[in-house]
Amino acid sequence: QLQLQESGPGLVKPSETLSLTCTVSGDSISSSSSYWGWIRQPPGKGLEWIGTIFNSGSTFYNPSLKSRVTMSVDTSKNHFSLRVNSVTAADTAVYFCARHGGSYLDNWGQGTLVTVSS
Amino acid sequence: QSVLTQPPSVSGAPGQRVTISCTGSSSNIGAGFDVHWYQHLPRTAPKLLIYGNNNRPSGVPDRFSGSKSGTSASLAITGLQAEDEADYYCQSYDSSLIGYVFGTGTKVTVL
Repeated sequence: QLQLQESGPGLVKPSETLSLTCTVSGDSISSSSSYWGWIRQPPGKGLEWIGTIFNSGSTFYNPSLKSRVTMSVDTSKNHFSLRVNSVTAADTAVYFCARHGGSYLDNWGQGTLVTVSS
Repeated sequence: QSVLTQPPSVSGAPGQRVTISCTGSSSNIGAGFDVHWYQHLPRTAPKLLIYGNNNRPSGVPDRFSGSKSGTSASLAITGLQAEDEADYYCQSYDSSLIGYVFGTGTKVTVL
């Protein structure tokens, strides 16, 4: 059974870098049929796609976040990661990782709240 | 700001049918890109409800159905149950933004 689990600091200072990891179990992150995404939900708001990474390492990001976002894959640890630099209070959100089943997201992690505050 | 617009809320009595619209444009739904739907309960992982416009993943009751026409899509819930009270989001791809987009979200309330 596929499971995804986000992990990382719950509090990040303004102007610093947010770093999260999504650990995958029940599927190989390097499977040719799998690619992976990050999505976030600010408090009281809707879902926002952040970016997607393919098992090849190729990425594409939300244009509104592209200049500050980096995603990577570590196949040896079967996890993928997200970094958002120069964070502000607007980056406070619940961050979800998920597996793409195509253009949709068929399995999601529970999400982790990241608060940007000094 | 989302390019897919949904009504903020819909409500219905148990057993009734409700529909949620998802209005897009010629660069997303109208361009032929698939629409998918998710159910999200607070503090839980969003759940894929409908993929590829009208397909249900294994385990999703047939009370949920999806459709698409022109630049819009809809999710219908028939035989509304208390457990259906949640937030619902549509999602597609936008060729102008070159990325995936979510709808604004709809809160379903069971009266």
